[in-house]
Amino acid sequence: EIVLTQSPATLSLSPGERATLSCRASQSVSSYLAWYQQKPGQAPRLLIYDASNRATGIPARFSGSGSGTDFTLTISSLEPEDFAVYYCQQRSNWPFSTFGPGTKVDIK
Amino acid sequence: EVQLVESGGGLVKPGGSLRLSCAASGFTFSSYSMNWVRQAPGKGLEWVSSISSSSSYIYYADSVKGRFTISRDNAKNSLYLQMNSLRAEDTAVYYCARDLLVGAGALDYWGQGTLVTVSS
Repeated sequence: EIVLTQSPATLSLSPGERATLSCRASQSVSSYLAWYQQKPGQAPRLLIYDASNRATGIPARFSGSGSGTDFTLTISSLEPEDFAVYYCQQRSNWPFSTFGPGTKVDIK
Repeated sequence: EVQLVESGGGLVKPGGSLRLSCAASGFTFSSYSMNWVRQAPGKGLEWVSSISSSSSYIYYADSVKGRFTISRDNAKNSLYLQMNSLRAEDTAVYYCARDLLVGAGALDYWGQGTLVTVSS
């Protein structure tokens, strides 16, 4: 099973700052990596698919990069509504999938 | 507007059964693979099962294989998850989620979830 590790576990930032979240896979997942945002009491929302493609309706301040085992989600300038938990997901052996443990972005 | 609405959750004793449903609307249900993903209280996300658009291909996580059965009824735009031999560790919010048609199978729409609690 491919294991995803996310760092940091918690990121404390202020609105307007840049957020950089990391996701590392235990073996190559090519570009088959997605990022989700989840707020308390809500379902996850797809942000990025295939490592770098923004999902429909996702603001341009969200960007993804990476391939193989190392991936990054960048939020260029945090808005108040961006404080949430972010999960990465790999699906290199579709449909089997694993999620990372999440990174919480909270207000400093 | 794409909508996925889960139902059927509740409190069940260990060893019991429950059937979850997911009603889909706002898209051509029969064209999409569908999934169940769960989230234990305060924990992360766990993929549970997937079913292809015509039910030809069905897959399960090892943690539920042999106990859970995924199915769908394209005429009714509905997805199901039959859960048998439930354990305390199956306690979670269960989400149904749609496969993105393009790319490598990200999940582009999710329901609001239904809570399953397994406890005596």
